[in-house]
Amino acid sequence: DTEVTQTPKHLVMGMTNKKSLKCEQHMGHRAMYWYKQKAKKPPELMFVYSYEKLSINESVPSRFSPECPNSSLLNLHLHALQPEDSALYLCASSQGGWGLNEKLFFGSGTQLSVL
Amino acid sequence: DAKTTQPNSMESNEEEPVHLPCNHSTISGTDYIHWYRQLPSQGPEYVIHGLTSNVNNRMASLAIAEDRKSSTLILHRATLRDAAVYYCILRDVSGGGSNYKLTFGKGTLLTVNP
Repeated sequence: DTEVTQTPKHLVMGMTNKKSLKCEQHMGHRAMYWYKQKAKKPPELMFVYSYEKLSINESVPSRFSPECPNSSLLNLHLHALQPEDSALYLCASSQGGWGLNEKLFFGSGTQLSVL
Repeated sequence: DAKTTQPNSMESNEEEPVHLPCNHSTISGTDYIHWYRQLPSQGPEYVIHGLTSNVNNRMASLAIAEDRKSSTLILHRATLRDAAVYYCILRDVSGGGSNYKLTFGKGTLLTVNP
């Protein structure tokens, strides 16, 4: 199983809502990532978890709150988002050895619209 | 951080070889060259990576210049399913050393004509 599963596939939320994005992998990977991708732009790194600890935060606003409850699961909690936060949110995982040979496996993403 | 430069777009015909170039003139000695592609409505997908020597796998070949300042991803026989954005990426060390980022550049949009 080389899949990274993201749910939901689509999400529409208002600026006062609280919602969560979920990501799951069963490859035994110990590193997990959140990327944000605006239309026709490359993915931008948001967060990296390594062995369930937050390893990289790319100065992401606090209205995005990541959580890694165990090595297979990664959540992104959303609160008080702005319309400009509308984007495709991609989750990825890798073995976590931090070697330069690391390959990332991506999910298909959650398309988020903030109204 | 070392950066990559790729053409915005390229076109190819089905069943013909495609050579996708990437310039990385500021590459450091320990930077690996990675290629990912993103098909429409999907997340990026790993294609191939290398350090100094040319590399082959079932998807593609990677040719790396002797001075490592450029590389070329080679698709030997393009199919319609190869139409995607192709990203050339240098693995990047973040902060103090043991963390690595995968930072995407703008990529090349490959169109494959039937």
